[in-house]
Amino acid sequence: EDQVTQSPEALRLQEGESSSLNCSYTVSGLRGLFWYRQDPGKGPEFLFTLYSAGEEKEKERLKATLTKKESFLHITAPKPEDSATYLCAVMNRDDKIIFGKGTRLHILP
Amino acid sequence: ETGVTQSPTHLIKTRGQQVTLRCSSQSGHNTVSWYQQALGQGPQFIFQYYREEENGRGNFPPRFSGLQFPNYSSELNVNALELDDSALYLCASSVGDGEGYTFGSGTRLTVV
Repeated sequence: EDQVTQSPEALRLQEGESSSLNCSYTVSGLRGLFWYRQDPGKGPEFLFTLYSAGEEKEKERLKATLTKKESFLHITAPKPEDSATYLCAVMNRDDKIIFGKGTRLHILP
Repeated sequence: ETGVTQSPTHLIKTRGQQVTLRCSSQSGHNTVSWYQQALGQGPQFIFQYYREEENGRGNFPPRFSGLQFPNYSSELNVNALELDDSALYLCASSVGDGEGYTFGSGTRLTVV
């Protein structure tokens, strides 16, 4: 069964303290892995799509990487405005999208 | 500003009733998908439409159904509402090129 597991469930960091969020996946025919940011009461906001192992993408303080079994979202020198829930999702060969439960990130000023 | 608009934003229904949720996507976004998100959980895939045809479905019973229209709008219909159907329902659209989806802000459905 296709599955996405994110860790940790929650993470508190001091402003400027870099860290990484993990997304482990099992999927039948990966067509893409997505990272989203979700603020309370809002819909997810698209960050990145990764298609194959070894691929990396960056946007401001965020960098996403992909291997055959997991993806990491690296956050460099985070700011309080980076506080949100970060969601990882995969699309399988049947165009079905499976989300993880997310990592709640809180950046302390 | 998101290009996907959902209505209503909040809704309260009684168990056993039927509900229709609406979504207006960006022009040119031929793919639309619907999700159910319970509190503290990730979104669960309900189904997806491409050019008005369903082309993917998650593990939801047939009482969850949908429609996509030529004007890039879509509907999610839920019959015989149950208490566990209380959740945030999200609509997302894409041009279908494999890139990420644009989500709306959702409809918060409460079943009492």
